[in-house]
Amino acid sequence: AQTVTQSQPEMSVQEAETVTLSCTYDTSENNYYLFWYKQPPSRQMILVIRQEAYKQQNATENRFSVNFQKAAKSFSLKISDSQLGDTAMYFCAFTNTGTASKLTFGTGTRLQVTL
Amino acid sequence: GAGVSQSPSNKVTEKGKDVELRCDPISGHTALYWYRQSLGQGLEFLIYFQGNSAPDKSGLPSDRFSAERTGGSVSTLTIQRTQQEDSAVYLCASSLGAVMREQFFGPGTRLTVL
Repeated sequence: AQTVTQSQPEMSVQEAETVTLSCTYDTSENNYYLFWYKQPPSRQMILVIRQEAYKQQNATENRFSVNFQKAAKSFSLKISDSQLGDTAMYFCAFTNTGTASKLTFGTGTRLQVTL
Repeated sequence: GAGVSQSPSNKVTEKGKDVELRCDPISGHTALYWYRQSLGQGLEFLIYFQGNSAPDKSGLPSDRFSAERTGGSVSTLTIQRTQQEDSAVYLCASSLGAVMREQFFGPGTRLTVL
């Protein structure tokens, strides 16, 4: 079975600074996808970024980028120029390519952006 | 267009009662997922529907949980004889297809069992 581990329950960063959220996963599969989702207090889960395991290049979306280390099974999220609106729970998630894309989630990291 | 909607937003019930949670997916989305988010936990997969195929029920925690999807659109998650450990936020998501399509989530239903 696949597992996703987020070892940082809470983190804090000042506005305009950079923060990195950690995620590790365990799988015996070779082809899979990884995601970071954001859940603000409204509870609405929003996709932040996705990474295909077969791609060596790290995914980027504006201020969000990942550091994907396949051999180490590590998938960290870097948020640059943090904004107050980035305050939320962040979940790392995994799915195999051969399944129906049901997601396995980590327990989340609560990020607080402060002035 | 409209996103995924769920109703009710909040539900408080007494232990032993049955509850029904509703999900309206994005129009045209063939895949629909239910997840459960317990306090302090990540999301836990419950059940998945794809078109007319038999649903994947592998995540349902007990036979008190069931779900149906009528006409390939609206889905209802039913919990019978609710227990206090059923208290959680129940999230629904839909996607255009099954394989590696982005899942769009609804706002969830917060269920509290007294």
